[in-house]
Amino acid sequence: LAKTTQPISMDSYEGQEVNITCSHNNIATNDYITWYQQFPSQGPRFIIQGYKTKVTNEVASLFIPADRKSSTLSLPRVSLSDTAVYYCLVGEKAAGNKLTFGGGTRVLVKP
Amino acid sequence: AAGVIQSPRHLIKEKRETATLKCYPIPRHDTVYWYQQGPGQDPQFLISFYEKMQSDKGSIPDRFSAQQFSDYHSELNMSSLELGDSALYFCASSPGGRSTDTQYFGPGTRLTVL
Repeated sequence: LAKTTQPISMDSYEGQEVNITCSHNNIATNDYITWYQQFPSQGPRFIIQGYKTKVTNEVASLFIPADRKSSTLSLPRVSLSDTAVYYCLVGEKAAGNKLTFGGGTRVLVKP
Repeated sequence: AAGVIQSPRHLIKEKRETATLKCYPIPRHDTVYWYQQGPGQDPQFLISFYEKMQSDKGSIPDRFSAQQFSDYHSELNMSSLELGDSALYFCASSPGGRSTDTQYFGPGTRLTVL
């Protein structure tokens, strides 16, 4: 299982763009990169998933360089409600696979 | 859209008692996962079921057992409760057999062991 490293915490202000970089040097060929968001006392919520280059949905963008040893989650124009813990997970995109959460990034959005 | 349902939402037990947590997956989801999240910790995988069979097992104590029923709901049974079992227990579901691994989490059950 590829190990991931991401910042422990980040502060931002409303309306700013937040970029969280995750390192995964040992990512395998079949591995995908997935990000989950978790609010206090709530279950994690899927944000975005990608394999290479760039993926965008209505919530975020995911940038993955050619070597895939890192990835960056970009949250555009954050609001106070984006304050949460963000987890980067790396693993095969296979149905039934457990999620291994480790050391997410606590993002605090200030007014 | 329908979400994962967990019951009860809160549970208080004494040491050495037993507890049963229930999970009702999203309709047409056949895979269920259980996670435990202690205070200030990350969610830890416990066990999963696909089509009523155990599909994977994580750091689940021997005092815990779980099963998935014919209607795909799942129950986590916890016996001889210890203070350290106090945590949030999340259930998640996914379409399983289809080519996606996105898991949808329930609101969790907060278990407090006194």
